Amino acid sequence: ELKVEQNPLFLSMQEGKNYTIYCNYSTTSDRLYWYRQDPGKSLESLFVLLSNGAVKQEGRLMASLDTKARLSTLHITAAVHDLSATYYCAAPQTQTGANNLFFGTGTRLTVIP
Amino acid sequence: KAGVTQTPRYLIKTRGQQVTLSCSPISGHRSVSWYQQTPGQGLQFLFEYFSETQRNKGNFPGRFSGRQFSNSRSEMNVSTLELGDSALYLCASSYQGNTEAFFGQGTRLTVV
Repeated sequence: ELKVEQNPLFLSMQEGKNYTIYCNYSTTSDRLYWYRQDPGKSLESLFVLLSNGAVKQEGRLMASLDTKARLSTLHITAAVHDLSATYYCAAPQTQTGANNLFFGTGTRLTVIP
Repeated sequence: KAGVTQTPRYLIKTRGQQVTLSCSPISGHRSVSWYQQTPGQGLQFLFEYFSETQRNKGNFPGRFSGRQFSNSRSEMNVSTLELGDSALYLCASSYQGNTEAFFGQGTRLTVV
């Protein structure tokens, strides 16, 4: 069965600092997804990475995908309090899927002023 | 454009009962998937429906079932509820199931 591992599980960082969240997955897949979840809320799509070497940036977040290493990273630059949330990576069960996702355990990010 | 709508938002049921949850996808989306979120197991994929057919399935017992109607709306049914079924159930819709999936607000099910 597809396994998606994420680390760290918890991340407490000061405002202005940089950090990276790592996501490893166990099967060959050319796509990887990142979501954000605020407490008591649903999942918000952040990035859709559809090919090896894909890099996407939105504000202070940048995601990349290395399909050969089965690794994706979510880099946070100069963190601000508004980024506090739980971040999930997810890989599809099927090669071309987007709606049959296996999720990592999530990284709970707390940004401290 | 309306998002994914799930009803009801909250539900309390007794152990042994059954429950039906509903999901209306984004207009034009034909793929609907269901996920269970619990503090212990995290987010787990239940099943995906496309054009009224179950296309993919996660690792859940047969008590969990679903269906999709011709208008792409989907329902999920859980029979013989157990305490461990208490969870947030999320529905996601996607155009063809191969691009991006958008999630609804979820149904919070509590089994007592």
